[in-house]
Amino acid sequence: GAVVSQHPSWVICKSGTSVKIECRSLDFQATTMFWYRQFPKQSLMLMATSNEGSKATYEQGVEKDKFLINHASLTLSTLTVTSAHPEDSSFYICSARVSSGRRIDEQYFGPGTRLTVT
Amino acid sequence: GESVGLHLPTLSVQEGDNSIINCAYSNSASDYFIWYKQESGKGPQFIIDIRSNMDKRQGQRVTVLLNKTVKHLSLQIAATQPGDSAVYFCAENLSAGNKLTFGGGTRVLVKP
Repeated sequence: GAVVSQHPSWVICKSGTSVKIECRSLDFQATTMFWYRQFPKQSLMLMATSNEGSKATYEQGVEKDKFLINHASLTLSTLTVTSAHPEDSSFYICSARVSSGRRIDEQYFGPGTRLTVT
Repeated sequence: GESVGLHLPTLSVQEGDNSIINCAYSNSASDYFIWYKQESGKGPQFIIDIRSNMDKRQGQRVTVLLNKTVKHLSLQIAATQPGDSAVYFCAENLSAGNKLTFGGGTRVLVKP
């Protein structure tokens, strides 16, 4: 149980284009999902918290107009990188928090999406 | 401030030996801590967690120790195996904010 998937697993796009990444909780409902970014040999950095049915909360320094987040249902959140540039190339990881359960602060991570902008 | 790592320290360990990975966390108000294992090209995998009202917790082959006085967390892996080779991250959670802050990570290399 508690499986989180991401699609695509990797994507290459041209500079200036937009890319959408999906995060799905496959066997549980998640009112809250989180989006992280990880550069090579670095730690995970939280970008934003996505709440179902409401606007995402962005961390300081993360441009909300560039990284559009939509949490349309209890099992799906999407991250759209708009007008991507090479410096946006990174490993994007989502996590989902169980809506109800023994530990409300338990997060399950997706496998990540490798974005390369050329 | 946040615990952010720009370098990945590496721990080389002989197969069968015990591994100890250390982590200094930043927020004295954090009340929940988690260790994650991340293999190359994959997302973090939960290993073990501990709440601030405990100082030790054991799992299968792993033990987490928490020293709140010095804001230090450690992960001990018993009888390290080749499959344990990965990057290990500690993460702290402040329940009020319910966000995880990740430490810098340590790469573990298991030598046969």
